[in-house]
Amino acid sequence: QVQLVQSGAEVKKPGASVKVSCKASGYTFTNYYIHWVRQAPGQGLEWMGIINPNAGTRNNAQKFPGRVTMTRDTSTATVYMEMSSLTSEDTAVYYCARDVGVGVALNLFDIWGQGTMVTVSS
Amino acid sequence: AIQMTQSPSSLSASVGDRVTITCRASQDIRDDLVWYQQKPGKAPNLLISAASSLQSGVPSRFSGSGSGTDFTLTINSLQPEDFATYYCQQDYKYPLTFGGGTKVEIK
Repeated sequence: QVQLVQSGAEVKKPGASVKVSCKASGYTFTNYYIHWVRQAPGQGLEWMGIINPNAGTRNNAQKFPGRVTMTRDTSTATVYMEMSSLTSEDTAVYYCARDVGVGVALNLFDIWGQGTMVTVSS
Repeated sequence: AIQMTQSPSSLSASVGDRVTITCRASQDIRDDLVWYQQKPGKAPNLLISAASSLQSGVPSRFSGSGSGTDFTLTINSLQPEDFATYYCQQDYKYPLTFGGGTKVEIK
């Protein structure tokens, strides 16, 4: 079945970096854009950015200038999101989510990963 | 960035009630409005796109309406499985933005 499976929970110290993976299966990986969305404990959803798994192009939210890097590995159908200079405010569940558009970004999400909890604490 | 404002932030309702949630955009977003349902500990689930298009498999008691800046999600005859948090999202332009959520609780 179509699914996105993310890597496990992480605990990081302030100032460190974290890299979360999102492995796609059950569909043609390069046909669908992937977004990253995060959710702080008890809070709402926040869009972080989008990557085109085919071309590798990406668009990050301006809230994370230079801190967020999204990459992909087409050989393993995996997308990665790396965030640097972590602070306690980055403590959240990080989701990858598939765009509904085929070969185009329609900017709504039909398949979500299970989420990865990232805790930033000294 | 386009700000999305949902109201109320929470509500209490009984099984069988009709529930209405509103979402207001800070600028005209045509009908580029999406609704999600999220249950505790789970990822969101897509309910409605283009303000009023019900996704496949979503019960017909859910409906959406609106265009421009004002949108509504209606749940007719609330069922036990509908108790959750609902989010609107604009897909009009980047950065994509969400409303703050509406938690629907059991009265």
